[in-house]
Amino acid sequence: AQSVTQLDSQVPVFEEAPVELRCNYSSSVSVYLFWYVQYPNQGLQLLLKYLSGSTLVESINGFEAEFNKSQTSFHLRKPSVHISDTAEYFCAVSEQGAQKLVFGQGTRLTINP
Amino acid sequence: DVKVTQSSRYLVKRTGEKVFLECVQDMDHENMFWYRQDPGLGLRLIYFSYDVKMKEKGDIPEGYSVSREKKERFSLILESASTNQTSMYLCASSLLRDGHNEQFFGPGTRLTVL
Repeated sequence: AQSVTQLDSQVPVFEEAPVELRCNYSSSVSVYLFWYVQYPNQGLQLLLKYLSGSTLVESINGFEAEFNKSQTSFHLRKPSVHISDTAEYFCAVSEQGAQKLVFGQGTRLTINP
Repeated sequence: DVKVTQSSRYLVKRTGEKVFLECVQDMDHENMFWYRQDPGLGLRLIYFSYDVKMKEKGDIPEGYSVSREKKERFSLILESASTNQTSMYLCASSLLRDGHNEQFFGPGTRLTVL
């Protein structure tokens, strides 16, 4: 069975500071990895995903995540955050070919001016 | 764009009532999912469906049932609502893309059971 652990439930940072949201997973098989974002009062939106190939994946709004197989991690980073990045972020994993996702507990990112 | 809609954004019900949460997707996706979201617990899968009239239990199916009579619609039913079912309920549908099932989410229904 797979599991996902997001190590921080809340991360407060100042605007324009860098941020890292941590995600570790466990699985005995090959996996796909995802980060979803939930803005206030909205559903989840896919932010980025790792399927294969380059271990560094990027989103259109400046976030990136690196798949580290040896450390079973998929941490999300942004070099300079904006107020508009305030949201809850969920890491998720699925087995290759599976229909279901397993989600982490979520990390609430708050940006202070 | 894919659109997943949920019938209500906010719902207040009384203990013992039968509650229906409706979800509709407009992109002909085979798979549909119901999750509940609680602080500190993330999203937990209640049920999912991979075809019309087909359903499979998720991680927390107790107290819930589902119905999928048409491909675009997936209903979550609370037969007798209880206060511990107060939560945010999220519906999702998925499309096989790049070898995996990318899920698309509705805006959620915040259910309060009094």
